[in-house]
Parts: sequence; C-alpha cells; structure tokens
Amino acid sequence: GENVEQHPSTLSVQEGDSAVIKCTYSDSASNYFPWYKQELGKRPQLIIDIRSNVGEKKDQRIAVTLNKTAKHFSLHITETQPEDSAVYFCAAHKPFGNEKLTFGTGTRLTIIP
Amino acid sequence: DSGVTQTPKHLITATGQRVTLRCSPRSGDLSVYWYQQSLDQGLQFLIQYYNGEERAKGNILERFSAQQFPDLHSELNLSSLELGDSALYFCASSVDIPDTQYFGPGTRLTVL
Repeated sequence: GENVEQHPSTLSVQEGDSAVIKCTYSDSASNYFPWYKQELGKRPQLIIDIRSNVGEKKDQRIAVTLNKTAKHFSLHITETQPEDSAVYFCAAHKPFGNEKLTFGTGTRLTIIP
Repeated sequence: DSGVTQTPKHLITATGQRVTLRCSPRSGDLSVYWYQQSLDQGLQFLIQYYNGEERAKGNILERFSAQQFPDLHSELNLSSLELGDSALYFCASSVDIPDTQYFGPGTRLTVL
C-alpha cells in the first residue's frame, strides 16, 4: 500500500520567517495530495491541495510544490504568524483498488513571537 | 463549521462494552470516512463508504464495524472495548473520490 513519510516532526520558526514541511510518498500512482492543519483539540482542516497534473499551487502565504519524479511534495508557509502554530498533516491518495487517503505522521509547527 | 456532524461529542464507557458513533455528512457528499486519532498521534484511516457501499478499508480491527445508510449517514460500531481504544474518532465526508475531505468535530471516546 501507500506509505507517506513527513519531516520534520517538530519545527520552530521565528514569526515572519518561512516554514517548509516535506513529505514523500511511495506509490507513483498517487494523484491527489492535500495538506491539513489541526489546532489543539480541533478537527483537521484542509489548507491547500494539489493534483498530480500540477507542479505548484499557491494561496496567499501558503504554497505546495509537487515533484512526481522524486515522489515528494512540500508545504511552504511564508511570513509566518502566531496563528500558524498547529500540527500539519500531509496526505496522498492512491486511486484504483483500495482507494484511500494515507496521512503522514504530522509536523508540530510552533511560531515564536 | 465544516457541515459534517458527529454525535456524541464525548463518550465514557468501560472495557468490554460496545458503543456506536454517528456521523452525518455534508449535504450532497456521497463519501464518508472514519479515522482514529490517539493522543498526540496521527490520523489512522479506518474505513470508507461511498453511496452506501464499502470502498476502502484501513487497519480496522475486527471488533470495529461500520455502515452507511440510505440517507448517507454513517455509524461506527466499536465492541469489546479495550483501554487502547480510547481516542478521538473523526468522520469526514467528500463529494467524490478523490476530493477534499471535510472533517467533523470528532467523538472523544474514553474507555475506563
């Protein structure tokens, strides 16, 4: 099945600096890659997603890049703010057969004021 | 508010008992997913339904079962509960597969 690895597990960034979280996936057939943000005690919320026919997608301070050849994708947050502090999960969807979303293990991002 | 509802919010029960968690997807969403999240852990996929039929299975224990009803709401049944089953259980829904999954607020299960 699909395996998603996420790094780093924890990340501390000075407010205003950029944060980058990286994920790799194992199955080249995976075609959909969402990123979720989960604040303490709350539900995961989608912040951005990318499909395999696109290399990069941006939404204000958040961007995701996808390298299909290397089977990795990254989340970039620029001009970080205290409210960006949360756990971030990447995921990969493998189509056909046992279709499911496989999540990475999460990155706890702390923004230092 | 994602539009996905889950009941109950909290559930405290004893080992060996059986519980049922309920999920109502967003209006128009055909697919329902169940996840388990233990303390400070990631999201473990349990099972997925699409328009009433089981579509994908994760590492769901045999003591756990689920179904999606004709009105598209779903129930997750957990039986012979063990201490290790204590976790947050999330339901999510989406229009199609693959598509954005919208998560409900979760049910916090505590097994004593």
